[in-house]
Amino acid sequence: QKEVEQNSGPLSVPEGAIASLNCTYSDRGSQSFFWYRQYSGKSPELIMFIYSNGDKEDGRFTAQLNKASQYVSLLIRDSQPSDSATYLCAVSRANDYKLSFGAGTTVTVRA
Amino acid sequence: ETGVTQSPTHLIKTRGQQVTLRCSSQSGHNTVSWYQQALGQGPQFIFQYYREEENGRGNFPPRFSGLQFPNYSSELNVNALELDDSALYLCASRQGTGGTDTQYFGPGTRLTVL
Repeated sequence: QKEVEQNSGPLSVPEGAIASLNCTYSDRGSQSFFWYRQYSGKSPELIMFIYSNGDKEDGRFTAQLNKASQYVSLLIRDSQPSDSATYLCAVSRANDYKLSFGAGTTVTVRA
Repeated sequence: ETGVTQSPTHLIKTRGQQVTLRCSSQSGHNTVSWYQQALGQGPQFIFQYYREEENGRGNFPPRFSGLQFPNYSSELNVNALELDDSALYLCASRQGTGGTDTQYFGPGTRLTVL
């Protein structure tokens, strides 16, 4: 079982719609959860982090965390063509030195 | 821009050669981690340096080694290159070593091994 799994994609959504990205993790000791966006040929860029159960909103992005279900998600509202990228879910344990990444979900926003 | 810089941008080597990649961390960040990202995969943790010492390592062989300097910049060295070492190598810096500390990635070095 992989440490972090994401829905495989690719995910195609029309402009203005909501894109929903899912991520599950296997280590119950995970404490910190991150979403990175990666454009083709570029490095990952942090867009959200969440540490507590519930929702966290930042602009058009909402991260949701459910530690009991070992599940974290990212919603992108009012999707724009500039949101077309690969989204990487990453988790880490408290006082740990590494991020464990999923393979990513590629999102394409159709104009 | 994260303030993390890496050099070179691209590199082509042949199997068996050795390579050194460099990273300058963001100002105020004393911890540097290196990741390998193969095509179509998420980044994989190689190792981390804190105050010039390696304090964490992923599942990579000893031919992957590193250094951190007093100014917190870092090097990744790979000996005896193999074809599977072809990947994007990412450096990430942060302040501190806790799991909640956000890591900021540099632009990466694209290594091709022929």
